[in-house]
Amino acid sequence: GENVEQHPSTLSVQEGDSAVIKCTYSDSASNYFPWYKQELGKRPQLIIDIRSNVGEKKDQRIAVTLNKTAKHFSLHITETQPEDSAVYFCAASMHNNDMRFGAGTRLTVKP
Amino acid sequence: EPEVTQTPSHQVTQMGQEVILRCVPISNHLYFYWYRQILGQKVEFLVSFYNNEISEKSEIFDDQFSVERPDGSNFTLKIRSTKLEDSAMYFCASSRGGEKLFFGSGTQLSVL
Repeated sequence: GENVEQHPSTLSVQEGDSAVIKCTYSDSASNYFPWYKQELGKRPQLIIDIRSNVGEKKDQRIAVTLNKTAKHFSLHITETQPEDSAVYFCAASMHNNDMRFGAGTRLTVKP
Repeated sequence: EPEVTQTPSHQVTQMGQEVILRCVPISNHLYFYWYRQILGQKVEFLVSFYNNEISEKSEIFDDQFSVERPDGSNFTLKIRSTKLEDSAMYFCASSRGGEKLFFGSGTQLSVL
């Protein structure tokens, strides 16, 4: 089955700096790559996703890039704010199949 | 905005007891999932359900687990004989087309 690796496990940045979280996946058939944000004690919430026919996608301060050849994808958050502090999970799946998550990155944005 | 709802929010049970966790997926969604998250760890896939049958299950989803869609709105996870290591937050999720998953707020299961 799919195996998703995520790095780093913790990330601390100053407010206004950029944060980058990286993931790799094992199954070349995976074609859908979402990112979820989970605040303490709450449900994971989808923040951005990308499909394998696209190399990059941006939504305001958040962007995701995908390198299919290398089987890795990254989340970029620019101009970080304290409310960006949370655990971020990447995931990978084939359409309609089980979605596997990375181990998570705890992002702390210091004011 | 429609949400996935889960009940109860907390469940405490004795080891060896059966528990049923309940979920109401978003009404026009066709794919349903259970995930669990042990405190401080990653979200782990348990099972996916489509067209009234299990479509995928993980190695965690052994014979002690079962899922059911007893009517047109509910989706349940049953753990037949709970073990201490079943203690976790259990998230239900649903999806319209098998991609964007929307998670419920979770049921915190504590097995004593």
